Amino acid sequence: GENVEQHPSTLSVQEGDSAVIKCTYSDSASNYFPWYKQELGKRPQLIIDIRSNVGEKKDQRIAVTLNKTAKHFSLHITETQPEDSAVYFCAARTGNMLTFGGGTRLMVKP
Amino acid sequence: DADVTQTPRNRITKTGKRIMLECSQTKGHDRMYWYRQDPGLGLRLIYYSFDVKDINKGEISDGYSVSRQAQAKFSLSLESAIPNQTALYFCATTQGTGELFFGEGSRLTVL
Repeated sequence: GENVEQHPSTLSVQEGDSAVIKCTYSDSASNYFPWYKQELGKRPQLIIDIRSNVGEKKDQRIAVTLNKTAKHFSLHITETQPEDSAVYFCAARTGNMLTFGGGTRLMVKP
Repeated sequence: DADVTQTPRNRITKTGKRIMLECSQTKGHDRMYWYRQDPGLGLRLIYYSFDVKDINKGEISDGYSVSRQAQAKFSLSLESAIPNQTALYFCATTQGTGELFFGEGSRLTVL
């Protein structure tokens, strides 16, 4: 089955700096790559997603890039703010199965 | 607001006990899922269902069973709970192959 590796597991940045989280996947048939944000004590919520026919997608301060050849995709957050502090999960879908990475705990220091 | 509701939100039980976690949704979605969250391991799929007569195993189904009682209800059972089933459990729904909508989670502790 699909295997999704996510790095780093923890990331600490200063407010205003950029943050990058990287994921690799194993199954070349994966065609959908969402990112979920989970604030402390809350449920995961979708923040951005990208499909395999697109290389990059941006939504205000967040962007996702996809390299199908290398089988990796990344989340970029610019001008980080304290409210960006959360756990972020990447995922990859093959067929009906969505496989998640292990998560990255992002801490934005004011 | 249309939502995904899980009960109970917190449960402490003992080894060997039978436990049921319930999920109901008012989103009108066909597809429902049960995930387990452990620190550092992300969200792992236990079971999923695309309609009332459809049940599928996920990557970690051993020790669990499910029931899809209606389009809006999907229950997860632990027939004989063991300590390594201590985790945070999430129900989720989706329509088609897009965004997953998660419930608020059920924290289970097995002593």
